[in-house]
Amino acid sequence: AQSVTQLGSHVSVSEGALVLLRCNYSSSVPPYLFWYVQYPNQGLQLLLKYTTGATLVKGINGFEAEFKKSETSFHLTKPSAHMSDAAEYFCAVSERTGRRALTFGSGTRLQVQP
Amino acid sequence: DTAVSQTPKYLVTQMGNDKSIKCEQNLGHDTMYWYKQDSKKFLKIMFSYNNKELIINETVPNRFSPKSPDKAHLNLHINSLELGDSAVYFCASSQIQGNEQFFGPGTRLTVL
Repeated sequence: AQSVTQLGSHVSVSEGALVLLRCNYSSSVPPYLFWYVQYPNQGLQLLLKYTTGATLVKGINGFEAEFKKSETSFHLTKPSAHMSDAAEYFCAVSERTGRRALTFGSGTRLQVQP
Repeated sequence: DTAVSQTPKYLVTQMGNDKSIKCEQNLGHDTMYWYKQDSKKFLKIMFSYNNKELIINETVPNRFSPKSPDKAHLNLHINSLELGDSAVYFCASSQIQGNEQFFGPGTRLTVL
């Protein structure tokens, strides 16, 4: 069975500071990996995904994530936080074949201080 | 151009009632999902349909019954609503390859 652990339910950074949101997964085979963002009272929007190929993936809004198989991690980063980045961020995994439902982490709320 | 739409956005009802939530996607995807987000923001899969066929049915009470009339629609009917059913329900869709899932705006269900 797959599982996802997001370290830190709340992360607070200053505007312009580095954003680092941590995600580790557990899976018997390398899964597909995703980061989603949820703004208040809205649905989930895909930030980026890793399926195959280059392990550093770039997403929307200046975010990127690196797949590290040896560490079973997929941490999300952004060099410079903006006030508009304040939201809930979810890391998710899915199997590559068969059952394709997303297994989500518990989420990390990002606060950006002025 | 809404990709995945859900109706209604808000649903407030009394315990014991029966209610339905509708979902439609215009992306041409062949797989659709229902997820439940609880009050602590935790998201969990409930059901998945591929080309109108049920492929995932998690441990969900029998009071919840999904129906897919065609591959663009996936509805969720809930019988005998309970307080614990209060949550936000999200519909999503994807193609098989890559499995990038597109989510609807959610339906906030409040059971009084």
